[in-house]
Amino acid sequence: DAGITQSPRHKVTETGTPVTLRCHQTENHRYMYWYRQDPGHGLRLIHYSYGVKDTDKGEVSDGYSVSRSKTEDFLLTLESATSSQTSVYFCAISEGGRANYGYTFGSGTRLTVV
Amino acid sequence: SQQGEEDPQALSIQEGENATMNCSYKTSINNLQWYRQNSGRGLVHLILIRSNEREKHSGRLRVTLDTSKKSSSLLITASRAADTASYFCATAGGSNYKLTFGKGTLLTVNP
Repeated sequence: DAGITQSPRHKVTETGTPVTLRCHQTENHRYMYWYRQDPGHGLRLIHYSYGVKDTDKGEVSDGYSVSRSKTEDFLLTLESATSSQTSVYFCAISEGGRANYGYTFGSGTRLTVV
Repeated sequence: SQQGEEDPQALSIQEGENATMNCSYKTSINNLQWYRQNSGRGLVHLILIRSNEREKHSGRLRVTLDTSKKSSSLLITASRAADTASYFCATAGGSNYKLTFGKGTLLTVNP
């Protein structure tokens, strides 16, 4: 998707290992979000950022941490991956807060924890 | 939770027919958005309708919003096989400025 890339696209990791997913944007948008998508649950917000070094928790933040040291990069870390964190992870960006703008999503990272 | 719920969960129609999907939500909102997701891809923003709007059009898409019934509908006219995708509504409201997504409607348009 234009202006936002996620890496890696696919990853298989073992239970207990740390994993970091990267979201990179070239739109200079202030707001960035991490969602996970699971069958039967739709998309659920993990963490979001409203500026460099400004982050907050979403509805399913347990087991995840984030960092944003630059406007363009938003990292999602699974400190010790568990099988319940097998999912597709999407990063999104928005021009403004208050959800008054549409979100632009990345293509997703499919993570499998074995 | 103000999560929207789409109805039906799945819809199968023939090319050229109209497709209507509905979204219901529980709490007051600032706006409601619709997204499309093709299989294996990220979500694509389709349209945003604000709480003080009742209807909005974009190409073959028509969205209505009834805040008294806490519901919205997405109409795709003259559907095409390329419209085959999952469609999600997302709401934002109150003090929660983040989007909350429903579980989606899977639309299949048969050639």
